[in-house]
Amino acid sequence: AQSVTQLDSHVSVSEGTPVLLRCNYSSSYSPSLFWYVQHPNKGLQLLLKYTSAATLVKGINGFEAEFKKSETSFHLTKPSAHMSDAAEYFCVVSYFGNEKLTFGTGTRLTIIP
Amino acid sequence: DTGVSQDPRHKITKRGQNVTFRCDPISEHNRLYWYRQTLGQGPEFLTYFQNEAQLEKSRLLSDRFSAERPKGSFSTLEIQRTEQGDSAMYLCASSLLLQGNNEQFFGPGTRLTVL
Repeated sequence: AQSVTQLDSHVSVSEGTPVLLRCNYSSSYSPSLFWYVQHPNKGLQLLLKYTSAATLVKGINGFEAEFKKSETSFHLTKPSAHMSDAAEYFCVVSYFGNEKLTFGTGTRLTIIP
Repeated sequence: DTGVSQDPRHKITKRGQNVTFRCDPISEHNRLYWYRQTLGQGPEFLTYFQNEAQLEKSRLLSDRFSAERPKGSFSTLEIQRTEQGDSAMYLCASSLLLQGNNEQFFGPGTRLTVL
């Protein structure tokens, strides 16, 4: 079964410092990997996606993620955190031929002023 | 607004009552998905449609749940004889079938509270 593991349920960083949100996926066939963000009382928004093209993926709002097959990881990073980045972040996987998205349990990102 | 819309945004009901939610996908999207999100968890897949055909249902979708997409456009999700455990956010998403692309666009959700 496809799955993802988000290694941290809560991450706190100071404004202006780097952000690292960790995600590992189960290794079956060729995955498509996504990061979604959910702000309070708002819908899920796609940050970025990996679909077997470049392993370093750039997304919106300065976020990027690197697909590392040897480590089965897809960590999300941002060089400098902004207050508006405070939200819940979900690592998501799907596999070709299986249309459903499988979400991780989420990482809540808190930005300290 | 051309995004995915859901109605109602909030629903409070008493245990045992039936409820129905509606989802309007992005107009050119041929796939429509339903997910459920409970507090502190990530969304879980319930079912999806390609046009009007329901192609997959999760084991989470008990026989009290039924989803339809009669004309391949909007969809409804009905829960019969609601239970307190049905309290959750119900999310709808849509996508356009393209080779190698499963990007799904989500609506704002319907929050169900069963008393």
